[in-house]
Amino acid sequence: NAGVTQTPKFQVLKTGQSMTLQCAQDMNHEYMSWYRQDPGMGLRLIHYSVGAGITDQGEVPNGYNVSRSTTEDFPLRLLSAAPSQTSVYFCASSSQVEQYFGPGTRLTVT
Amino acid sequence: AQSVTQPDIHITVSEGASLELRCNYSYGATPYLFWYVQSPGQGLQLLLKYFSGDTLVQGIKGFEAEFKRSQSSFNLRKPSVHWSDAAEYFCAVGAAGGYNKLIFGAGTRLAVHP
Repeated sequence: NAGVTQTPKFQVLKTGQSMTLQCAQDMNHEYMSWYRQDPGMGLRLIHYSVGAGITDQGEVPNGYNVSRSTTEDFPLRLLSAAPSQTSVYFCASSSQVEQYFGPGTRLTVT
Repeated sequence: AQSVTQPDIHITVSEGASLELRCNYSYGATPYLFWYVQSPGQGLQLLLKYFSGDTLVQGIKGFEAEFKRSQSSFNLRKPSVHWSDAAEYFCAVGAAGGYNKLIFGAGTRLAVHP
């Protein structure tokens, strides 16, 4: 039981490049979400999904796309990276009483 | 709008001393409240949560928190801090009264002196 896994752990992008942050969970949770963490701001919700085929925006969705084709996977796409998207990204999946967080992806956009 | 305030950005305590980390929330009804801990370079680990019932909640690693509705607070406490408790601590509230969409405070970084 691996819990929530994220790849890659680190990534450097140039402005305008695109990439996908991968997230997978093996706990059969319906609810999954993406947060970004910036110094002095805690974690902010980007997008979330309440089940396969259903996604919705969180607090800071601009510049990010998501899709949920399976229960296990919830990738986060940056279509055209900007320096403002330099952050640490956490994926989480949720049971009835707790969110389980992945180890994070540290993204730098130059 | 819902919000979480952690008034202390940094706290330093001596090993063996007691600890209290403050958290104030803004939400009209009874909230779902959480405390998470993040060690450097790591993800977040749930310390404890409050949904309803007893307002004093026990968590892992010897932590406890008390929900005080009148003060809109959910302060985290530990009677005797260990050097391994040095980390960043986040208070969170479930948005719209749920437990999935979390609103986090800015965090309190705890340093422990030997």
